[in-house]
Amino acid sequence: NAGVIQTPRHKVTGKGQEATLWCEPISGHSAVFWYRQTIVQGLEFLTYFRNQAPIDDSGMPKERFSAQMPNQSHSTLKIQSTQPQDSAVYLCASSLGVNQDTQYFGPGTRLLVL
Amino acid sequence: GDSVTQTEGPVTLSEGTSLTVNCSYETKQYPTLFWYVQYPGEGPQLLFKVPKANEKGSNRGFEATYNKEATSFHLQKASVQESDSAVYYCAFTNAYKVIFGKGTHLHVLP
Repeated sequence: NAGVIQTPRHKVTGKGQEATLWCEPISGHSAVFWYRQTIVQGLEFLTYFRNQAPIDDSGMPKERFSAQMPNQSHSTLKIQSTQPQDSAVYLCASSLGVNQDTQYFGPGTRLLVL
Repeated sequence: GDSVTQTEGPVTLSEGTSLTVNCSYETKQYPTLFWYVQYPGEGPQLLFKVPKANEKGSNRGFEATYNKEATSFHLQKASVQESDSAVYYCAFTNAYKVIFGKGTHLHVLP
């Protein structure tokens, strides 16, 4: 089992540019999660899909951030008009089920906005 | 609101000494408790989880007991190794969202 795959591993963008981050969950897992990790805030929940349907996006900044899951094998997190404060490691996780199941994390995408 | 408080790091120990990382949590619900470990350049990986109060979880010599009365879940290891150097996160989930502590950076000196 390959684990959760995230691409790219590193991304550098200029202020105002768009960034798209990709996640391939573990095959057979029905739930996909996105988290953001920074030194100051630590690990923060962003959004969650179950069976490809968006369920909770309460952690997503309301402007500029969006997430999709067009099929069961990948999810994307898009950040429009990136700002320096968006610099962080973005982590994708998946789990077999939902309620209190273990989430398996990918290696993350390190985004740097200059 | 839901939160986790854990020992602030960094914690520096010599190989062979004992480790305790304190963790307390706050939630109105009935959580499953986790310890995750993160190595440089990787995502957090599960060390172990404990879904029920008063039970103990363990893995690789690390252990923690889910103390519901004290709302605590302290991580312990009797004898640390240099390879244990990493960041350790206490966490819980009530349903699907994982709430993490700030992490404790452990350095083990040879």
